[in-house]
Amino acid sequence: GEDVEQSLFLSVREGDSSVINCTYTDSSSTYLYWYKQEPGAGLQLLTYIFSNMDMKQDQRLTVLLNKKDKHLSLRIADTQTGDSAIYFCAERGMDSSYKLIFGSGTRLLVRP
Amino acid sequence: NAGVTQTPKFRVLKTGQSMTLLCAQDMNHEYMYWYRQDPGMGLRLIHYSVGEGTTAKGEVPDGYNVSRLKKQNFLLGLESAAPSQTSVYFCASSTRGQPSYEQYFGPGTRLTVT
Repeated sequence: GEDVEQSLFLSVREGDSSVINCTYTDSSSTYLYWYKQEPGAGLQLLTYIFSNMDMKQDQRLTVLLNKKDKHLSLRIADTQTGDSAIYFCAERGMDSSYKLIFGSGTRLLVRP
Repeated sequence: NAGVTQTPKFRVLKTGQSMTLLCAQDMNHEYMYWYRQDPGMGLRLIHYSVGEGTTAKGEVPDGYNVSRLKKQNFLLGLESAAPSQTSVYFCASSTRGQPSYEQYFGPGTRLTVT
């Protein structure tokens, strides 16, 4: 079945890099996503990666995809206090609903 | 362009009461989804719709009904609310016009059932 797993919590110092990890089970997933949720708000799409890519970079964000191990990571360079939020990894289902399967989220705390 | 909006933002219900949550999108998206978010459990899909007049069950559909009479609106109904339905509800939409089918989320409705 489909399942997405993430660690629950990460704490980093401001200016350091953050790496948030995710594992998924559906090897047929075509797209994988990273969403950010700030307190009291909805989910905001940060970036996504297509399954035929190994890496995608977008300003401070780097996504790495290891298809063999079904492992996805999000690296945030020069982490700022404004990056404190919950980060969700999601994979897209392969049926016609295009539904997303979400991990339970990683809470990132950036210490000044 | 407001994106995805949800009404209401907050609601408190007594057990057994009914209510309808409204989701509206102005992006002409074909697909719409209702999720619930509970602490430590991520988002779980309740129901979804792939087009006007069609709906389907998601992962946790029991106790909820939906309707999509107009393309821009997706309604989630609770016929007889239970404390287990205390949660934050998110609506999302997506389009086949974007290969990534990324979903755009509303701000959420916080529902408490006492």
